[in-house]
Amino acid sequence: SAVISQKPSRDICQRGTSLTIQCQVDSQVTMMFWYRQQPGQSLTLIATANQGSEATYESGFVIDKFPISRPNLTFSTLTVSNMSPEDSSIYLCSVRVGSRDTGELFFGEGSRLTVL
Amino acid sequence: DQQVKQNSPSLSVQEGRISILNCDYTNSMFDYFLWYKKYPAEGPTFLISISSIKDKNEDGRFTVFLNKSAKHLSLHIVPSQPGDSAVYFCAARGYGGATNKLIFGTGTLLAVQP
Repeated sequence: SAVISQKPSRDICQRGTSLTIQCQVDSQVTMMFWYRQQPGQSLTLIATANQGSEATYESGFVIDKFPISRPNLTFSTLTVSNMSPEDSSIYLCSVRVGSRDTGELFFGEGSRLTVL
Repeated sequence: DQQVKQNSPSLSVQEGRISILNCDYTNSMFDYFLWYKKYPAEGPTFLISISSIKDKNEDGRFTVFLNKSAKHLSLHIVPSQPGDSAVYFCAARGYGGATNKLIFGTGTLLAVQP
């Protein structure tokens, strides 16, 4: 298993500002994943963060809007830039423990952002 | 296009009875399926999984059934307990690729009444 801590747990932000979410894992992992859950929606993968290389973004998500850092094997940040009310979501950090084919994802508790 | 669908947004069950949560998928390349449980203000936690080479996997009170021909899976909870009240997400993964990312359904809110 893995213990994942996210900061902040929640925040209220003003339109046009940016917020950085931190994710700390208690063990070294190759890949960290950032998900978003908009109200009433499923969890959607934003990007995969690999240590030492650029993050890989899913369709519909771009680096300018969601820049990601991955300075080491236990830490990552996701920035939500130039926020609008549509960015109000729960943002979740996750890691896979186990093999690529059958390992489960473990999630942090999420960061709930409300953009006014 | 929603590749993983949970058509029931909510389900209410009496304590001690069986809870059945359903999930449908459209992509035949999915070959590994998982169920996650999420309490308010917490991240999703892994519950149980099943590979496409099986049609049933059981873990205590939780059993997942997979019908590949129908592209349907279900989670059975027997007996249901009030502590099982949570949102349940079905997720699917396709084989291959660098990340084998999970595709999640929209979730079903289960309420177990004492």
